[in-house]
Amino acid sequence: GQQLNQSPQSMFIQEGEDVSMNCTSSSIFNTWLWYKQEPGEGPVLLIALYKAGELTSNGRLTAQFGITRKDSFLNISASIPSDVGIYFCAGNPNTGNQFYFGTGTSLTVIP
Amino acid sequence: KAGVTQTPRYLIKTRGQQVTLSCSPISGHRSVSWYQQTPGQGLQFLFEYFSETQRNKGNFPGRFSGRQFSNSRSEMNVSTLELGDSALYLCASSEWVSQETQYFGPGTRLLVL
Repeated sequence: GQQLNQSPQSMFIQEGEDVSMNCTSSSIFNTWLWYKQEPGEGPVLLIALYKAGELTSNGRLTAQFGITRKDSFLNISASIPSDVGIYFCAGNPNTGNQFYFGTGTSLTVIP
Repeated sequence: KAGVTQTPRYLIKTRGQQVTLSCSPISGHRSVSWYQQTPGQGLQFLFEYFSETQRNKGNFPGRFSGRQFSNSRSEMNVSTLELGDSALYLCASSEWVSQETQYFGPGTRLLVL
């Protein structure tokens, strides 16, 4: 199956700092999604990307669909304690009805 | 619109038993996908249903099965439970095809003793 490499695996940052994480795939994807998951809950969709080069913002979050279509980036500006959680990327190669998920980035924000 | 709902939220079973989990997609959504999430393996795709038909299947044994009803609600069943089946089972719905944006439910936490 498709391999999605998500990095970093975990991050410990001070409140107010900016955060960057990325996801790379072994093949071309047509859709990239970014989710946040909190303990005991399902992933919540943050941003969806559908075109190469697309840059989309959702409040303090910004995500980009890489030009090569094999990667995506998520940035969080001015982090706050409620940003704590695990962030997942997901991609769909459009060769089947399936999304592939990254292994997640665990974010801890220190007040 | 109400979000994706899953019942039950928590379940404890013993080895050898079987279990049925339920998922109600967002109103108007016709595609439902199921995932297993464990700390070691992350999110693993189980299967996807659209219009009562299984369109795609992940790499899980035949003990894992599912179905979808005419109102798009879906169930998944696990027979002969094993300890390794303990996980968070998530379903996600999308409007037409699963390549579109998927919205997740809160999950069912299954513990097999």
